[in-house]
Amino acid sequence: ELKVEQNPLFLSMQEGKNYTIYCNYSTTSDRLYWYRQDPGKSLESLFVLLSNGAVKQEGRLMASLDTKARLSTLHITAAVHDLSATYFCAVDMDSNYQLIWGAGTKLIIKP
Amino acid sequence: DTEVTQTPKHLVMGMTNKKSLKCEQHMGHRAMYWYKQKAKKPPELMFVYSYEKLSINESVPSRFSPECPNSSLLNLHLHALQPEDSALYLCASSPGQGAGADTQYFGPGTRLTVL
Repeated sequence: ELKVEQNPLFLSMQEGKNYTIYCNYSTTSDRLYWYRQDPGKSLESLFVLLSNGAVKQEGRLMASLDTKARLSTLHITAAVHDLSATYFCAVDMDSNYQLIWGAGTKLIIKP
Repeated sequence: DTEVTQTPKHLVMGMTNKKSLKCEQHMGHRAMYWYKQKAKKPPELMFVYSYEKLSINESVPSRFSPECPNSSLLNLHLHALQPEDSALYLCASSPGQGAGADTQYFGPGTRLTVL
């Protein structure tokens, strides 16, 4: 059974600091997705990582994938308040349209 | 057009009511999804339609009935719901082309309250 674990589940940080969210998964998969969700809102696609060593960057967010370690990271550089949200990682389960979701990391960035 | 739309945004219904949620996309995507999301939890997959055919039904109670009238539309018919069915219902679509990234794009959701 494919399991996806995120940590931390909650993160409170100051603006300007750097931090990393981790996403571990239990079986082989070559496609990993990161989504953002603001309170009471829908899910916004951030990144899709397709292969070992893949790195994607958008603004202050950078995501990477290590398929051998079954680990993805979402790194936040010089955090700003607008990045406060819940971040989910999700792993593709053999391309049958099912995603296995992590529990989410609630990120609060204080001014 | 990279948007998935859902109506209504909010819905309050009694346990004896019948209502429908609607979802539409014009991105030419061939896979469409219904998810249920409770507060502070990840979304739970309910149904997947691939090329207008139901391909996944995640053991959802029969009081939820999906329908895919055409490749752009997805409905979720609701009947005799329970208070525990109150949640955010999200529709999503993806290209559904097989190999390669198949990112799911989510609509804004319908906030459902069952009294």
